[in-house]
Amino acid sequence: QSVLTQPPSVSAAPGQKVTISCSGINSNIGINSVSWYQQLPGTAPKLLIYDNNKVPSGIPERFSGSKSGTSATLGITGLQTGDEADYYCGTWDSSLSGYVFGPGTKVTVL
Amino acid sequence: EVQLEESGGGLVQPGGSLRLSCAASGFTISTYWMAWIRQAPGKGLEWVANINQDGGTKYYVDSVKGRFTISRDNAKNSLYLQMNNLRVEDTAVYYCTRKLVEYWGQGTLVTVSS
Repeated sequence: QSVLTQPPSVSAAPGQKVTISCSGINSNIGINSVSWYQQLPGTAPKLLIYDNNKVPSGIPERFSGSKSGTSATLGITGLQTGDEADYYCGTWDSSLSGYVFGPGTKVTVL
Repeated sequence: EVQLEESGGGLVQPGGSLRLSCAASGFTISTYWMAWIRQAPGKGLEWVANINQDGGTKYYVDSVKGRFTISRDNAKNSLYLQMNNLRVEDTAVYYCTRKLVEYWGQGTLVTVSS
């Protein structure tokens, strides 16, 4: 049972936009920054978004992040077949004194 | 280029021990928190432990407290995870990471089975 909540899967056609939600509580998302990670099949995860909405160098601007209250959202525009992957949100939980991940969302390009 | 290379994984019986190592290159670990994160086969990501720059502050997920120890050797630019009293449920790919989480290694597989 994950501390954070994500939808199990989302899908859209190539070129379309998808959003993935990540819901938490005050002790995690409410007071700490959120990161998003992409895990392509058979590979290690990779940082996609940090500090809620910052994009690391090398990550396409098609990826964006936002946070409001105790929820965060990852957006992917101009969906490509290469975006098919599992996406995880993560943040520090100050009550648990530990880092928590969402259960992951599988993105499928139709 | 930042690189993290894990080693030390393998097959071990329940109750056994393993020591994972992570060799960092492309940066100096002494200025960063470091961490271990694991992923059981077909499952999601789970933070295991993290350690501050001088090794004086450590955090662990409840399921490994008292069994796992995270440590670092800044002179060797390396991170370690000593795993004792291993359980079947510890079976996973273990990733070494810089902070939470900027960079990930490729992972090393730990299999606990009789």
